[in-house]
Amino acid sequence: DTEVTQTPKHLVMGMTNKKSLKCEQHMGHRAMYWYKQKAKKPPELMFVYSYEKLSINESVPSRFSPECPNSSLLNLHLHALQPEDSALYLCASSQEGGTSGGDPRNEQFFGPGTRLTVL
Amino acid sequence: AQSVAQPEDQVNVAEGNPLTVKCTYSVSGNPYLFWYVQYPNRGLQFLLKYITGDNLVKGSYGFEAEFNKSQTSFHLKKPSALVSDSALYFCAVRKAGSYQLTFGKGTKLSVIP
Repeated sequence: DTEVTQTPKHLVMGMTNKKSLKCEQHMGHRAMYWYKQKAKKPPELMFVYSYEKLSINESVPSRFSPECPNSSLLNLHLHALQPEDSALYLCASSQEGGTSGGDPRNEQFFGPGTRLTVL
Repeated sequence: AQSVAQPEDQVNVAEGNPLTVKCTYSVSGNPYLFWYVQYPNRGLQFLLKYITGDNLVKGSYGFEAEFNKSQTSFHLKKPSALVSDSALYFCAVRKAGSYQLTFGKGTKLSVIP
């Protein structure tokens, strides 16, 4: 299995809702990532988990809360979002060697994304 | 800090002609360079990477890239373009000791039948 799966594919939510995005990989990768991508723009890194521990938080607002329950799963909990948070949310994973900052030789494998619309 | 520049927002090429998508980078230390492709409403697909060794890297779907250290470039190429190659292409660089994958702004490739 060489893919990253994400659910749901589409999500529409109000500003008072609470929802979660899910990501799963079975490639044995130990680094997992959340990115936010606006239309026709490059992905922007939000969070990195390495060996189930949060390694990077790119100053993301607290209305986004990541969780890594185990080495295969990554969640992004959403609460009180704003319309400007509407975007494609991408999950990625990579094989890392456990060294600090990971192994730069490893490519990241991306999921298909969740298209989020905040009303 | 590392950075990537993709100087062309859009590249148009006729089907069957060779294509080039340009990328230049800036990073301290050894560069680790990647090309990704994104089709509409999809995630990014890995095409190829340069780690070390041969300056000509071959990847998926007939794509290749040429690493040029003196010009700090990593241009993506394909000898004969297909209409199905039409997509958004991102060049990215990663620095040793960092999880950060820094992307260029992307280049939209349109292959005209």
